[in-house]
Amino acid sequence: DTAVSQTPKYLVTQMGNDKSIKCEQNLGHDTMYWYKQDSKKFLKIMFSYNNKELIINETVPNRFSPKSPDKAHLNLHINSLELGDSAVYFCASSPKGQGSAYGYTFGSGTRLTVV
Amino acid sequence: QQQVKQSPQSLIVQKGGISIINCAYENTAFDYFPWYQQFPGKGPALLIAIRPDVSEKKEGRFTISFNKSAKQFSLHIMDSQPGDSATYFCAASNLGGSEKLVFGKGTKLTVNP
Repeated sequence: DTAVSQTPKYLVTQMGNDKSIKCEQNLGHDTMYWYKQDSKKFLKIMFSYNNKELIINETVPNRFSPKSPDKAHLNLHINSLELGDSAVYFCASSPKGQGSAYGYTFGSGTRLTVV
Repeated sequence: QQQVKQSPQSLIVQKGGISIINCAYENTAFDYFPWYQQFPGKGPALLIAIRPDVSEKKEGRFTISFNKSAKQFSLHIMDSQPGDSATYFCAASNLGGSEKLVFGKGTKLTVNP
């Protein structure tokens, strides 16, 4: 199946821990994104990578560090987790050059709960 | 600063009725306006989109109306069905710029049978 897949789907962890979320797309897209959806469903962009190069870095705490080993993968590492980090994190991809908004494909999300 | 304002926050419609969701934007550099549909436990999925050179776009029961001078656009769902019950997000981007999507806060639509 062609898709954007994220793992894990659910993540429950204690404050202060470090965790990673992985994302992979097999759509051949050049650009990948991380979005955060808070408890009120608001979607906000965090990062964007184009072919392994960071192109968007919104005002996100530096405890969040994205890594793109190749253009099909974009991982998100979070250090020293805080209660306020609890949210659903979505990975997305798009075919850069055709207008990223045309082809945004989202993964199913990772629900992170910090206790 | 919220760049895309969406209303209403929630909407209840009877089966067969028309659902209308409105959005307004501030940034005149925006030139692409998609709508996304999100079901519980799923990621948002592109539903329909419009460029500012047209005032209306229709795909099946879904229509976007766009008013460039007012900086407003809306989604109309005709003959609403219970299966349309979902959260709908309007969004905007500048295709000539960073191309990042800026989302509205979402509208939870419930279509009663």
